[in-house]
Amino acid sequence: SQKIEQNSEALNIQEGKTATLTCNYTNYSPAYLQWYRQDPGRGPVFLLLIRENEKEKRKERLKVTFDTTLKQSLFHITASQPADSATYLCALTTDSWGKLQFGAGTQVVVTP
Amino acid sequence: DAGVTQSPTHLIKTRGQQVTLRCSPKSGHDTVSWYQQALGQGPQFIFQYYEEEERQRGNFPDRFSGHQFPNYSSELNVNALWLGDSALYLCASSPHGGTYNEQFFGPGTRLTVL
Repeated sequence: SQKIEQNSEALNIQEGKTATLTCNYTNYSPAYLQWYRQDPGRGPVFLLLIRENEKEKRKERLKVTFDTTLKQSLFHITASQPADSATYLCALTTDSWGKLQFGAGTQVVVTP
Repeated sequence: DAGVTQSPTHLIKTRGQQVTLRCSPKSGHDTVSWYQQALGQGPQFIFQYYEEEERQRGNFPDRFSGHQFPNYSSELNVNALWLGDSALYLCASSPHGGTYNEQFFGPGTRLTVL
């Protein structure tokens, strides 16, 4: 069966450190992969998109890698800040129409 | 630009009732998708509308139906509500038919079924 797995346990990290989140998938051939941030009671906010032929993407303090052989994406937040505390969702798209299939998300808590 | 807007913000219904949720996409966007998010879970794709037609559908029963209007706004209708329909309903929009684009989400409608 198809699965998208993210760390279910919250990631507690000290301010200034790098947070690394994992997204593993099985029985998918994604055309591209996206990461979203979601705050409690709010809709997800788009962060980064990486295509199947790309290995790495960066945006400010964020970096995402995509390994189609390992079927894994890693999401890094460098120099983390308390404002980065949120749930981060991994989403796959397997077609050109943009239907997103989400993992359950990983909660990140950054403490001062 | 107001972004994606949804109404109402919260809704309480009883089992067996029907509900209509509304969404206005971001300016310039022509594709609207609806997602259901249960507590502690990621959003689940319900369906997508483009050019006033349902283009894709997730694994949801026929009780879930929708519509897209000429101005690209959309409605989600759920009939015969049951307790398991309690969730945050998210609308997302994207431009250019949704092709290879990120999606912009609204704040959601919190539906509680008693």
